Amino acid sequence: AQRVTQPEKLLSVFKGAPVELKCNYSYSGSPELFWYVQYSRQRLQLLLRHISRESIKGFTADLNKGETSFHLKKPFAQEEDSAMYYCALRTTAGKSTFGDGTTLTVKP
Amino acid sequence: DAMVIQNPRYQVTQFGKPVTLSCSQTLNHNVMYWYQQKSSQAPKLLFHYYDKDFNNEADTPDNFQSRRPNTSFCFLDIRSPGLGDAAMYLCATSALALSSYNEQFFGPGTRLTVL
Repeated sequence: AQRVTQPEKLLSVFKGAPVELKCNYSYSGSPELFWYVQYSRQRLQLLLRHISRESIKGFTADLNKGETSFHLKKPFAQEEDSAMYYCALRTTAGKSTFGDGTTLTVKP
Repeated sequence: DAMVIQNPRYQVTQFGKPVTLSCSQTLNHNVMYWYQQKSSQAPKLLFHYYDKDFNNEADTPDNFQSRRPNTSFCFLDIRSPGLGDAAMYLCATSALALSSYNEQFFGPGTRLTVL
């Protein structure tokens, strides 16, 4: 069975500091990995996906198959980045598993 | 413009009184999901449909049922809600094709209160 682990439930940084939200996964097949974000009182929405190797709102995430990780990084955090972040894995059968989430607080 | 719509946004029911939550989509996606999200917790997958194929999670209580009469609509039926079923219920959709990005699109959720 697949599993997604986000070891930090809470993460707090100052504005302008680098931030890294950790995500590790276990899955025997070829995973699709995503980061979803939920801002206060908004719906859950996609932030980025590993397959497109894109940078969204300054965030990037690299899939490291050797370490089975998909950490989310941003070099300079902004206050508007404060939100709940979920790492998610999707199997080829369409089943999605979410990590427990990390609440990021960016302090002024 | 809304792509995944959930009705109602807020639902209050009584202990033991059956309740149905609905979800509709305009994306024509093959896959529809229902998640339960309790306060400060991750969304927990209850089940999903791949077209008409129903996939139940092993730990989803029998109290929860689902129907998907067509591509656009999916319903979550809670036969006898208990106090522990009070939560946000999220509907999501995704395409499932080898060439697609397969992200999930979420609805705004229905917050269920059980009195």
